Amino acid sequence: KAGVTQTPRYLIKTRGQQVTLSCSPISGHRSVSWYQQTPGQGLQFLFEYFSETQRNKGNFPGRFSGRQFSNSRSEMNVSTLELGDSALYLCASNVGRANYGYTFGSGTRLTVV
Amino acid sequence: TQLLEQSPQFLSIQEGENLTVYCNSSSVFSSLQWYRQEPGEGPVLLVTVVTGGEVKKLKRLTFQFGDARKDSSLHITAAQPGDTGLYLCAGVNTGNQFYFGTGTSLTVIP
Repeated sequence: KAGVTQTPRYLIKTRGQQVTLSCSPISGHRSVSWYQQTPGQGLQFLFEYFSETQRNKGNFPGRFSGRQFSNSRSEMNVSTLELGDSALYLCASNVGRANYGYTFGSGTRLTVV
Repeated sequence: TQLLEQSPQFLSIQEGENLTVYCNSSSVFSSLQWYRQEPGEGPVLLVTVVTGGEVKKLKRLTFQFGDARKDSSLHITAAQPGDTGLYLCAGVNTGNQFYFGTGTSLTVIP
């Protein structure tokens, strides 16, 4: 079956702009989580959506938001981009129970200049 | 925050050597997962352990969950260059919340 698909793979944006990242989970997976990965901070949890509702949220400013559609696809939006937002953004899907493990996409590499 | 500390943070070894990576916490987890991530890709799930004291083997990799379900270890026998990557442990608490460890970057030199 198809894996988790993230688009785009690479993105270059200017400070102050906004960006939308997309994630298509594995068919049948209702939970989608987003992570930010940087060399200095490691993997940091952004938020999790389950059946179109935000179920958990990490410690990120309100500039970071997300949503999930009825087909479980998810989008993440970052407004007013800062240089420090440059990172690999990873999406992971799961049937809905964390004990079953997560399948990750290849990520979107965002560079803010 | 349920912190999962991994050690060592960096490891560089010769092909054929053995190594162990540790994942420690003061919190109890209902399960512990290990992932490997290669540069530019997302983490890939290697194994899930759910019972205290459980040992699972995946070819040359041996995973153990501590008796108290607070820690775990990953042992690699006869490491190969293909084992190079970032190894991440992740714990799931009884509230179904998921926490990644700090990561161990492994380089196996041919």
